[in-house]
Amino acid sequence: EAQVTQNPRYLITVTGKKLTVTCSQNMNHEYMSWYRQDPGLGLRQIYYSMNVEVTDKGDVPEGYKVSRKEKRNFPLILESPSPNQTSLYFCASRSTGEGYGYTFGSGTRLTVV
Amino acid sequence: ELKVEQNPLFLSMQEGKNYTIYCNYSTTSDRLYWYRQDPGKSLESLFVLLSNGAVKQEGRLMASLDTKARLSTLHITAAVHDLSATYFCAVYFGNEKLTFGTGTRLTIIP
Repeated sequence: EAQVTQNPRYLITVTGKKLTVTCSQNMNHEYMSWYRQDPGLGLRQIYYSMNVEVTDKGDVPEGYKVSRKEKRNFPLILESPSPNQTSLYFCASRSTGEGYGYTFGSGTRLTVV
Repeated sequence: ELKVEQNPLFLSMQEGKNYTIYCNYSTTSDRLYWYRQDPGKSLESLFVLLSNGAVKQEGRLMASLDTKARLSTLHITAAVHDLSATYFCAVYFGNEKLTFGTGTRLTIIP
């Protein structure tokens, strides 16, 4: 089944403890993105990647890092999480070509205390 | 500044009625997406609109794009309960930068 897989689905952590949210897609998509969703703010783009080793900042990159060493994986790294990073996170991927929309993962609900 | 505004934010409507959700954006773009999100779920792609005048229909939903007015609409015809969800528009501003609207929470009342 074609899908974007995120792990974990739920995570509670403490301020300052480094964490990684993994994202993997099995559709050979070139483009991948991370979003956070907060009530009243919709989804905001954190980082995106147009191919292996090609990443760039979205609208809210502060406090996050990403890497794209393999085409299928695009992990999101929080080096020192803070409570304002408590949110619902989505990874998404799509194929090249303007007619394709993004396929979203199931989401990761992160709580930083 | 890139802005995407959806109206209304909340919409409660009776089954069988028609209604329209509006998506306005601030800067030129010729590509727009509509997504659906059920409570506690991920986002499901509904439509990709690629050019001025583009119109797409799927069941009771029809989406259109007017790039000159920087406006997209999502029209619901003869609403049924299954259409209750939050609907998002997302505007593509180049280089994989995608800006989402704040969403419209639609509730269909029997």
